[in-house]
Amino acid sequence: IQMTQSPSSLSASVGDRVTITCRASQGISNFLAWFQQKPGEAPKSLIYSASTLQTGVPSKFSGSGSGTEFTLTISSLQPDDFAIYYCQQYYTYPITFGQGTRLEIK
Amino acid sequence: VQLVESGGGVVQPGGSLRLSCEASEFAFSIHSMHWVRQAPGKGLDWVAFIRFDGSDKFYADSLKGRFTISRDNSKNTLYLQMNSLRAEDTAVYYCARTYGSGSRIDYWGQGTLVTVSS
Repeated sequence: IQMTQSPSSLSASVGDRVTITCRASQGISNFLAWFQQKPGEAPKSLIYSASTLQTGVPSKFSGSGSGTEFTLTISSLQPDDFAIYYCQQYYTYPITFGQGTRLEIK
Repeated sequence: VQLVESGGGVVQPGGSLRLSCEASEFAFSIHSMHWVRQAPGKGLDWVAFIRFDGSDKFYADSLKGRFTISRDNSKNTLYLQMNSLRAEDTAVYYCARTYGSGSRIDYWGQGTLVTVSS
């Protein structure tokens, strides 16, 4: 299953609300996760089952979607939120990731 | 949850390497595990999965049988045996824990760098 994220990069300002889209090449129900990765760090789990926040993740992050189209929305951007975001399907093997969306400060 | 990878380093093309991931602060034997890699400046690339009891193993198609995932629940350790290494295997290799016995990742290790170069 191919996962395609859009946009590949995004510039936004502190305080903005942004949305990243992830599309699956075939239906994956809600077996979709989102991860955040900062430079030089390991990825961090944000959301699973398309819309459920991982423990400890602030509610400014939200996910939605089912089937083939999913979104990650981040509200009230803070400097700490500027990172690369990846979607991942775990509906079937081989597990696949999107190519990533780089969120940069404008 | 603590996941500490080790075993990375520089290896020549065609060589072998075994990575380890030592788990602590949780019940390793009831969690399935993944290996995920990331080439320099590139995105995340799933490598392999092993069920909590070792009963199921899955691999990325691109590996073509060169890598083997295994675990020793008595030692709380996950392994990745990598053979016939190629330059394109150069990456940071992360181990990642799943929530329970399923497939979804909840925690990641810090990674170990493997460089394949002559």
